[in-house]
Amino acid sequence: GAGVSQTPSNKVTEKGKYVELRCDPISGHTALYWYRQSLGQGPEFLIYFQGTGAADDSGLPNDRFFAVRPEGSVSTLKIQRTERGDSAVYLCASRLGTSRAPGGYTFGSGTRLTVV
Amino acid sequence: GENVEQHPSTLSVQEGDSAVIKCTYSDSASNYFPWYKQELGKRPQLIIDIRSNVGEKKDQRIAVTLNKTAKHFSLHITETQPEDSAVYFCAAAARMDSSYKLIFGSGTRLLVRP
Repeated sequence: GAGVSQTPSNKVTEKGKYVELRCDPISGHTALYWYRQSLGQGPEFLIYFQGTGAADDSGLPNDRFFAVRPEGSVSTLKIQRTERGDSAVYLCASRLGTSRAPGGYTFGSGTRLTVV
Repeated sequence: GENVEQHPSTLSVQEGDSAVIKCTYSDSASNYFPWYKQELGKRPQLIIDIRSNVGEKKDQRIAVTLNKTAKHFSLHITETQPEDSAVYFCAAAARMDSSYKLIFGSGTRLLVRP
């Protein structure tokens, strides 16, 4: 697609429920990143995929968070047993991962998750 | 890992004045420093970036300076306009394996008063 697409744009869920957030990167972008942005804060790194594999998941806060990218394109961020503290905007970004030059990140519009 | 600190958290200037936002980073391996502008409810948009092999870069009213020795970099906006009002984020990245990982500062809310 022309840009990074994230769905849903908004998600309200009850505490304890399971949610899935989807990211559809720019076609051909092999590198995909998930960030979490809490109110008034900068984006916080969660996980990075190069192709289908998670190259760096050091930012996932705990084992309730998991992400997959089975075919090297669309990625899903999964949150189990949601807590109110998980409320944030979840941003996805992609870039042409084979490029040795930095930059070229394109961000999606994010999914605003509210846990009530 | 990398840590990026950003100051000030809020900045209010009169239209036409200059605005300066400063960031420091901790990882000496970082070699890419972008700045993003984020309007309310919107995605971060890249406004300028600099690589470690240069000390300054300018694009019209926006400039970024980098001091690798001191590990700090700054965003300068001249002749500010009301439409410059937004939250600005600095970031730093080092190459790791096959790609880069951006680490962001906490943001500066810029208000340009007409």
